[in-house]
Amino acid sequence: EDKVVQSPLSLVVHEGDTVTLNCSYEVTNFRSLLWYKQEKKAPTFLFMLTSSGIEKKSGRLSSILDKKELFSILNITATQTGDSAIYLCAVEAGSNYQLIWGAGTKLIIKP
Amino acid sequence: DARVTQTPRHKVTEMGQEVTMRCQPILGHNTVFWYRQTMMQGLELLAYFRNRAPLDDSGMPKDRFSAEMPDATLATLKIQPSEPRDSAVYFCASGPPGTVTYEQYFGPGTRLTVT
Repeated sequence: EDKVVQSPLSLVVHEGDTVTLNCSYEVTNFRSLLWYKQEKKAPTFLFMLTSSGIEKKSGRLSSILDKKELFSILNITATQTGDSAIYLCAVEAGSNYQLIWGAGTKLIIKP
Repeated sequence: DARVTQTPRHKVTEMGQEVTMRCQPILGHNTVFWYRQTMMQGLELLAYFRNRAPLDDSGMPKDRFSAEMPDATLATLKIQPSEPRDSAVYFCASGPPGTVTYEQYFGPGTRLTVT
C-alpha cells in the first residue's frame, strides 16, 4: 500500500533556529513530491521535486529529494514566527498519479 | 487507519455532462473542505462545511458548481454542465471538531478531465 510518512509530527523551536522536516515514502510509479505550507484554510504550494539531488530554494526555505533512499527534506533557516504552520508533504504516484498525503508536521516558532 | 476517501479517483467526461464527486470524511470529523488543484492556479478552496452547513463557498463558481452534505458521512461536489476548464484534481479534506480550521486531512483526490 502506498504511504507517505512525515516526521516529526510536531516541532517547537525558537526564532532564529534552523529546522529540518522529513518526508519518506513507499509508493509505486513515483512521479513527483510536493511540499505545502498550511496556515490558513488552503495549503500554499512550496516546492515540487521530481529529480534526485537537485535542491529547490525559495528564500529561507529549501528542499531536496533522494529517490534512492525514498525521502525528501524541507529546511527552513533563520526561522520566524510567520513560519509557524503545518507543513504537508504529498507524493504523486500510483497508476493514476494520485496524490498520497502525509499527515503533516506542525511547526511552532516561539519568539 | 482512518482516512478520507474520494470517488471516483479518475473521471473523463465530455463537455456539457454532469459530474458528481463524492467524499467520505473521517468518522467523527465535522468540517469538510473541497479544493481544486491545477498547475496554473495551484490549490484553490472551493467550499467549506462545518456540521454539514456551508460556511464559505465564495471560491466556487456558483453558476455550475454545487456542494452539499446530505449527511455527516457524505459530501458531494457537482458540476453541471462541465467545461474543459474544469479539468483539475479535486481534493476533499476533513477536520476534527474543536480544532483550528487548518488541521485538515486530505483525501487522494479525483482527477477530472473534461474533453
